[in-house]
Amino acid sequence: GAGVSQSPSNKVTEKGKDVELRCDPISGHTALYWYRQSLGQGLEFLIYFQGNSAPDKSGLPSDRFSAERTGGSVSTLTIQRTQQEDSAVYLCASSLRDSPLHFGNGTRLTVT
Amino acid sequence: SQKIEQNSEALNIQEGKTATLTCNYTNYSPAYLQWYRQDPGRGPVFLLLIRENEKEKRKERLKVTFDTTLKQSLFHITASQPADSATYLCALESGGSYIPTFGRGTSLIVHP
Repeated sequence: GAGVSQSPSNKVTEKGKDVELRCDPISGHTALYWYRQSLGQGLEFLIYFQGNSAPDKSGLPSDRFSAERTGGSVSTLTIQRTQQEDSAVYLCASSLRDSPLHFGNGTRLTVT
Repeated sequence: SQKIEQNSEALNIQEGKTATLTCNYTNYSPAYLQWYRQDPGRGPVFLLLIRENEKEKRKERLKVTFDTTLKQSLFHITASQPADSATYLCALESGGSYIPTFGRGTSLIVHP
């Protein structure tokens, strides 16, 4: 079946602009995660959605970052007023509760 | 603070040999430990999960051990092949957390 889909695969934006990154999880997966991966770095947790519960936003690095999950399915990660340090690969993953994560191939964000 | 350590130096081995990768952690009481494989430009792919009360898990040519006293997991690939070349990430999850924390990964290069 279809895996986790992320779009766009690449995004180049100018410093100060807002960007939206989209994630289509695997159908039926109740959990959805956003991580980011900078060059040579590990995966940094950003935000976690589980069903209808309030999301765990403890990993968001600043109030410029926000995320939504509509209808328990598609999620959008928004970065406002982008900075150069926001350049990274943004990875989305979904899972059933207490199960391993299924990752998309990420959105590579470059802020110039 | 919580820390996960994986060898940052690439592991180079000859085809047919056993590759052994290490994941050490401090200030953690993980309920689960997972291993993922990541190829360039792709998201991580789940390989194996081991629980805190399990010592060893096997899947085909893969074997994972988990020593909660040493705070260490070893990941073995027997009869390695060039196609096994990738970055391998370990991820720890505390009981009730549902949010895996990832190490930086170790690059494995299998030479023909």
